[in-house]
Amino acid sequence: GAGVSQSPRYKVAKRGQDVALRCDPISGHVSLFWYQQALGQGPEFLTYFQNEAQLDKSGLPSDRFFAERPEGSVSTLKIQRTQQEDSAVYLCASSERVSSYEQYFGPGTRLTVT
Amino acid sequence: GQNIDQPTEMTATEGAIVQINCTYQTSGFNGLFWYQQHAGEAPTFLSYNVLDGLEEKGRFSSFLSRSKGYSYLLLKELQMKDSASYLCVTSADRGSTLGRLYFGRGTQLTVWP
Repeated sequence: GAGVSQSPRYKVAKRGQDVALRCDPISGHVSLFWYQQALGQGPEFLTYFQNEAQLDKSGLPSDRFFAERPEGSVSTLKIQRTQQEDSAVYLCASSERVSSYEQYFGPGTRLTVT
Repeated sequence: GQNIDQPTEMTATEGAIVQINCTYQTSGFNGLFWYQQHAGEAPTFLSYNVLDGLEEKGRFSSFLSRSKGYSYLLLKELQMKDSASYLCVTSADRGSTLGRLYFGRGTQLTVWP
């Protein structure tokens, strides 16, 4: 594809529901990052994959958050038992190489927990 | 950790020049980026500085002083489409995630006709 895509673009969940957010990185990109962006704030790091290996998950706010990238391409961020404080835009970014400095961002998924 | 400080808002008129300043404190440094983010859209890469000095790219220039922990983004000949949030971003050089980005909260620039 031409760029990073994410789905759904918008998700409304009732508190306590589980949600799954999908990211399709640019084909062949080794590195994949997930960020959380609250309203009026800059994105904050959640987790990082190098191919299928999750090398850093230090930014995940709680054990309700889980991410996977089983085949080293598509990634899914899952949030269990959503809470209102989980409402944010979830951004996915990919980069071509491990040390590549330029990250390409997807349009994000806006999650609203009611 | 990373501590990044930039103004929350700035305004300017079409055709003018604006400078957005950023100061940072990092535990490890592997470069400073500027990203542009229009409302409801993904951040897009503008510039990258790893050495001191000025990098020019068309109407946009970015400056870095590593000793002072300081950077600025200079936008010339402002256009209405430049109205956006400008994010000052650092990258760490240590730890398990080389390339992990640390974002400031962004400077919302409004360009008036």
